[in-house]
Amino acid sequence: SQKIEQNSEALNIQEGKTATLTCNYTNYSPAYLQWYRQDPGRGPVFLLLIRENEKEKRKERLKVTFDTTLKQSLFHITASQPADSATYLCALPPTSGTYKYIFGTGTRLKVLA
Amino acid sequence: SAVISQKPSRDICQRGTSLTIQCQVDSQVTMMFWYRQQPGQSLTLIATANQGSEATYESGFVIDKFPISRPNLTFSTLTVSNMSPEDSSIYLCSVEIQGEEKLFFGSGTQLSVL
Repeated sequence: SQKIEQNSEALNIQEGKTATLTCNYTNYSPAYLQWYRQDPGRGPVFLLLIRENEKEKRKERLKVTFDTTLKQSLFHITASQPADSATYLCALPPTSGTYKYIFGTGTRLKVLA
Repeated sequence: SAVISQKPSRDICQRGTSLTIQCQVDSQVTMMFWYRQQPGQSLTLIATANQGSEATYESGFVIDKFPISRPNLTFSTLTVSNMSPEDSSIYLCSVEIQGEEKLFFGSGTQLSVL
């Protein structure tokens, strides 16, 4: 079955630095991969989608890469701010015939002022 | 996009009782999903709710324990029945808008069972 892994340990970084989060997956060749942000007591919010034929995607201070050979996506937040502190989830789309997205456990990011 | 209102936001319940969670969407959607998120774990799909038909449950989840209603294209409920402390979790409803390859989530229901 498909498996998706994120570093479960919290990531603490200093304000202004670049945060890099990793998402690895196995047993799957997804057409795309998604990243979500989840704040405490809230549902996840969609951030970015990157397709299998895209190596990199940017949105403001966010950058996502997708390496289908390594089966890995990296999520970068440049010039990080305390407001970026949250849990970030990666997700794979449903396989054919299903509606089931596969989510990672998320990585908790804390940006220190 | 979609705005989802979910309630209650949290509840503390006694063992053996049931809780019904409501999910209201601001637009008509075909598919609504119910997820569970246990501490330190990923989101787990409980079931897919289609309007006018019975919900489709994932492995490990059964209708007697998690009955779902979907009376129209903007509303759904999930009931957690005969609760035990193991049911303590965050429950989330979610929708996917046709043509948009992403999920929209409600704010979640934090359930604690004593």
